[in-house]
Amino acid sequence: QVQLVQSGAEVKKPGASVKVSCKTSGYSFSDHSVHWVRQAPGLGFEWMGWINPDNGGTKYAQKFQGWVTMTSDTSISTVYMEMTSLKSDDTAVYYCARERAGATTGEVDYWGQGTLVTVSS
Amino acid sequence: SYVLTQPPSVSVAPGQTATITCGGNDIGRKVVHWYQQRPGQAPVLVVYDDGDRPSGIPDRFSGSNSGNTATLTISRVEAVDEADYYCQVWDSDSDHQVFGTGTQVTVL
Repeated sequence: QVQLVQSGAEVKKPGASVKVSCKTSGYSFSDHSVHWVRQAPGLGFEWMGWINPDNGGTKYAQKFQGWVTMTSDTSISTVYMEMTSLKSDDTAVYYCARERAGATTGEVDYWGQGTLVTVSS
Repeated sequence: SYVLTQPPSVSVAPGQTATITCGGNDIGRKVVHWYQQRPGQAPVLVVYDDGDRPSGIPDRFSGSNSGNTATLTISRVEAVDEADYYCQVWDSDSDHQVFGTGTQVTVL
């Protein structure tokens, strides 16, 4: 079955960086883009961008350009999301999610379990 | 940027119908998707492309989209449907995914 398993919770100080992994299984890794979405405590979702694992192509939301980097390692069917210069308002649960096969407008059909990133001094 | 507005909460009795709206400027020209998020869990896609259901989603879930409002309808509501629901569109102007503000559905 399709699974996306994310790395564990992180606690970081302001100004630090964090790298969250998302290991996929149960489908052809190269055939589906992977999106990253975050959810601040008690709030809604904020789309961060996507990566095409087949060619490494990326699209970032304008807000995250320059300080978020998404990468992939096809040898282990894993995508990564790295954020630099963390601030307290980056505290959120970060999700990876697989784009649905045949999607034309980027909807996602399988989500990771989420990774809580806490930024606190 | 494109804004999607949902009512904060909807309450419904078991067996009745829940209607969740998602308002956006000319949203009828866009394709809308809906997600369910139960407390402490990752979201689940319940409707895509305005009104299609992924495999495994009960036919009690249906969607429509016209004008300035998209709608998710849950028929014959069950206690298990109690969750937050979010709409989503792709905004072609910004080439960004946009999520709605979310609606908490409470089953009385």
